Amino acid sequence: DVVMTQSPLSLPVTLGQPASISCRSSQSLVYIDGNTDLTWFQQRPGQSPRRLIYKVSKRDSGVPDRFSGSGAGPDFTLKISRVEAEDVGIYYCMQAIQWPWTFGQGTKVEIK
Amino acid sequence: QVQLQESGPGLVKPSETLSLTCTVSGGYMSSYSWGWSRQSPGKGLEWIGHISDTGGTSYNPSLESRVTISIDTSKNQFSLKLTSLTAADTAVYFCARAYGRSTDSWGQGILVTVSS
Repeated sequence: DVVMTQSPLSLPVTLGQPASISCRSSQSLVYIDGNTDLTWFQQRPGQSPRRLIYKVSKRDSGVPDRFSGSGAGPDFTLKISRVEAEDVGIYYCMQAIQWPWTFGQGTKVEIK
Repeated sequence: QVQLQESGPGLVKPSETLSLTCTVSGGYMSSYSWGWSRQSPGKGLEWIGHISDTGGTSYNPSLESRVTISIDTSKNQFSLKLTSLTAADTAVYFCARAYGRSTDSWGQGILVTVSS
């Protein structure tokens, strides 16, 4: 299975400050069509995962532009330009190139 | 905006079979795949498998011998069956829509506890 390794696992941040989460894949995430598929989810307390970013850097509709994704394999990054209180939760990366699809362990973002 | 809602028992006995249903509203089932994942404290998020709108299935090898996913597009529903349950299957189970090589919409989740 492709192992997705996130760091850090815990990320205390100050409101208004930037935050960055890393995700490293153990295998290539480049599909035969040349696209790289890496998805980021946000899971707020008590809620189900919500997709923020797909195909490394494409933001979903309704996702604030303070969220951005980047990377070219095996290292990917989710950045929050200015953290707001509603951003508290656990963030996961996921790969769906190799079967079975796999997730990172999650990074817990909390306010200092 | 598509919405997904899981339904089923919250408590199942060891060795029994778990049956969950996901009802899809606000969108069509065609042209998408429909899947199940679960989340437990010990194992994090795990993708169980998915089924296409035409019935083709993919199952996580770690669960393949115990899993069946089926679909009934006339009812806008798809289902999960997981057999031979143990305490390790205790988790929150989510249904989700898959498109391309990602999954974009998830249900709220249902907690399933395996205990006698």
